[in-house]
Amino acid sequence: EPEVTQTPSHQVTQMGQEVILRCVPISNHLYFYWYRQILGQKVEFLVSFYNNEISEKSEIFDDQFSVERPDGSNFTLKIRSTKLEDSAMYFCASQTSGVLQETQYFGPGTRLLVL
Amino acid sequence: AQSVSQHNHHVILSEAASLELGCNYSYGGTVNLFWYVQYPGQHLQLLLKYFSGDPLVKGIKGFEAEFIKSKFSFNLRKPSVQWSDTAEYFCAVIGAPDYGGSQGNLIFGKGTKLSVKP
Repeated sequence: EPEVTQTPSHQVTQMGQEVILRCVPISNHLYFYWYRQILGQKVEFLVSFYNNEISEKSEIFDDQFSVERPDGSNFTLKIRSTKLEDSAMYFCASQTSGVLQETQYFGPGTRLLVL
Repeated sequence: AQSVSQHNHHVILSEAASLELGCNYSYGGTVNLFWYVQYPGQHLQLLLKYFSGDPLVKGIKGFEAEFIKSKFSFNLRKPSVQWSDTAEYFCAVIGAPDYGGSQGNLIFGKGTKLSVKP
């Protein structure tokens, strides 16, 4: 069964450094999402992406964050200058279409630790 | 704003016990409701979802959930749990656009850890 994959599984970085988290969505999916989960807290929506542009973003998704689909397969989340509070598990998800009944399929996550 | 509450942080049961995990949401319009499960070391996976029709929804692995609109609830149930059900369970909602809801992002509850003792 096709799966969403994410790399790396873990990343440790210094505060102020840039990080890029990578996701390979399921190949025929058109809608892509990033979520994050700070330890002990809820999974929170960050951003959705369709047709090479952001569809919706949350308040968390400020100017430090950007997303890109640089080629036909990868979907990346960049944090320009990491802060301690960016430490979290980051999940990518993809969906066939934007129809609400369609299931979002999640990747295994990237655990980001900012020191 | 939409939100989802899961009442139990950690539930510990013995095998064969019945399970009910609470989920309440706050949203005035039409909602689409989900339960996701995350087994240790694995992805978030969809257990079941409700969009319309029969408020009793059956999912995978013997799970079911009942949507009670008057109580803004979508509780997850299983009559007899197994050790392999040990996981974290997340309730989530998508608000329908006709009431100003989002176009598809999930709003999650905090999750409930279920530990089943063999």
